Amino acid sequence: ETGVTQSPTHLIKTRGQQVTLRCSSQSGHNTVSWYQQALGQGPQFIFQYYREEENGRGNFPPRFSGLQFPNYSSELNVNALELDDSALYLCASSPGLGSETQYFGPGTRLLVL
Amino acid sequence: SQQGEEDPQALSIQEGENATMNCSYKTSINNLQWYRQNSGRGLVHLILIRSNEREKHSGRLRVTLDTSKKSSSLLITASRAADTASYFCATLSGGYQKVTFGTGTKLQVIP
Repeated sequence: ETGVTQSPTHLIKTRGQQVTLRCSSQSGHNTVSWYQQALGQGPQFIFQYYREEENGRGNFPPRFSGLQFPNYSSELNVNALELDDSALYLCASSPGLGSETQYFGPGTRLLVL
Repeated sequence: SQQGEEDPQALSIQEGENATMNCSYKTSINNLQWYRQNSGRGLVHLILIRSNEREKHSGRLRVTLDTSKKSSSLLITASRAADTASYFCATLSGGYQKVTFGTGTKLQVIP
């Protein structure tokens, strides 16, 4: 167990809806990254937050947005859901920007119908 | 986009045999890491090798890195049924912690 938790574990939405996924970082970790993993693929980097500020972003459209709170928990919001957004969404926390290792949560599986 | 390509895509071996999986990547890196993923759930960090290292060991795991060929290999010795999982290489590059994953190798260890 990494100490990183995510909720919910599973979610079903319909196309066009909005979704919020949540991540609770490991204690003492101020950096969180979000990844999207489509079936049969490796995870793809969405963005990273450090001390409540976005610190880097992958090749995802603006309808993917995030927040990090003062307690370093985090949210991933996706607007105007598309069928291709169906995936496992993983968050990973680390103790700081200089840390080489991230600790992953169990993921949220999103199905868009 | 995926940074790394892994091969084989799938590997099936008998318990006790060694498993070798390879990873190639495209750009210069700070380090390369290997992760394990069971049944499409969270990723577990296995081992990290820095760009100035050539080989690293951790228990039954041996990782090599060849930066001139932009490739790495993961060897799991004396495999166990519990090693059945997908294995991903991941590279860290750039000024922030953007970790770029490969496509993964699905390993099945038959008891």
